Formats: sequence, structure tokens, C-alpha cells
Amino acid sequence: QKEVEQNSGPLSVPEGAIASLNCTYSDRGSQSFFWYRQYSGKSPELIMFIYSNGDKEDGRFTAQLNKASQYVSLLIRDSQPSDSATYLCAVFSTDKLIFGTGTRLQVFP
Amino acid sequence: DVKVTQSSRYLVKRTGEKVFLECVQDMDHENMFWYRQDPGLGLRLIYFSYDVKMKEKGDIPEGYSVSREKKERFSLILESASTNQTSMYLCASEQRTFSTDTQYFGPGTRLTVL
Repeated sequence: QKEVEQNSGPLSVPEGAIASLNCTYSDRGSQSFFWYRQYSGKSPELIMFIYSNGDKEDGRFTAQLNKASQYVSLLIRDSQPSDSATYLCAVFSTDKLIFGTGTRLQVFP
Repeated sequence: DVKVTQSSRYLVKRTGEKVFLECVQDMDHENMFWYRQDPGLGLRLIYFSYDVKMKEKGDIPEGYSVSREKKERFSLILESASTNQTSMYLCASEQRTFSTDTQYFGPGTRLTVL
């Protein structure tokens, strides 16, 4: 079982819709969770982090964490074509940051 | 703003060559990391360092070594490059405090080994 799992996609949503990206993790003791955005040919860029159960909002982005279900998600409201990228989920586990393989998001006009 | 720089954006080397990839960060972070990223495999940790002259193996250290002589600089060395080391190499610098641990990435080096 992979330590951090994401659906590779692509996830296609129309402009203005809500994009929902999901991630599950295996280490129940994990405390820190991160979402990175990676444009094609570029390096990952941190967009959100969350430590507590519940929701954390930052502009159009909302991270949701459910530790009991070992599940973290990222919602992007009012999706724009410029949001088209690969989104990497990362979990801090056993003193290392473990990355998922990423979900490719396509926002079409 | 955290700045992490890498010595080259693109590099082409021949099989058997010794290759040096350099990473520099300007935020006085103690922790630095080297990853490679390949399609379908995601980011894989090669080596990391928690302090000057310290190094720890990551998940795929074979064929690589590292050097950390100064806090701001973390070098990845391919002792004898092979074609299966063709990849995107990403360096990261980590800010770790009581409540946060955030990694900042450099722009990456796309290495091709012929």
C-alpha cells in the first residue's frame, strides 16, 4: 500500500466550477498535511497546509482534513484555466515529507 | 521570500561522467533535501541533510552521494552517470518550527544522460 495515494486524473472541470482533489494516507500518526501545485515543467509550489481536523480556507482554496478517515482534500472554488496544473498531496510521516504522485487538473473555458 | 536556486536548469551528460548538481538557499534553513521526479513515480527522496556535514539516505540513494560543507549549500553527486538517472532533480530547503515544517523547492534541473 502506498503511503500517500492520489488519483492521477486528469480531473476536468469547467471554468467557474468547484474542483475537488482527494488524498488518502496510511500513517495514522501523521500530523501535518500539505498541498503543492506544480505547473508543467516547473517545481512544486506550496499552496496550503493543514494540521487540525476540519476546514482551512485561503482565498479560493479550502483544505479539508479528516484524521479518523485518513483523508485530506483540496477544494478550488471558481476554478480558472490558470489553475490547470498537477496538485501534489504531501504528508509529514516518520520525520519525512511523503508525496503522492499528484492529480492533474484541467480547467476548460 | 525563501529563495532556493539550483546551478543548472538543463544538463546533458554522457554515461560514466561525474555530475555535480548544486543547490543554494538563502534562508538559513538547517534541513535540505534532494528529490528526483519521474512520470508516474512522483517525487522520490534521494538524500537529505539536517546540518552541515550531516547526511542521511533517503529512499533511493544508490548511485548518488551528497556534500554539505556549508549550511546554505547542498550538492548532489552522480559518481558515474547512467541513463536511468535521466530525470528532473529537485532540491528543497525546509523551515521547521514547533508548529510548521514547510519545504520550498528550487526550480529543478532536468538531467539527460546519453
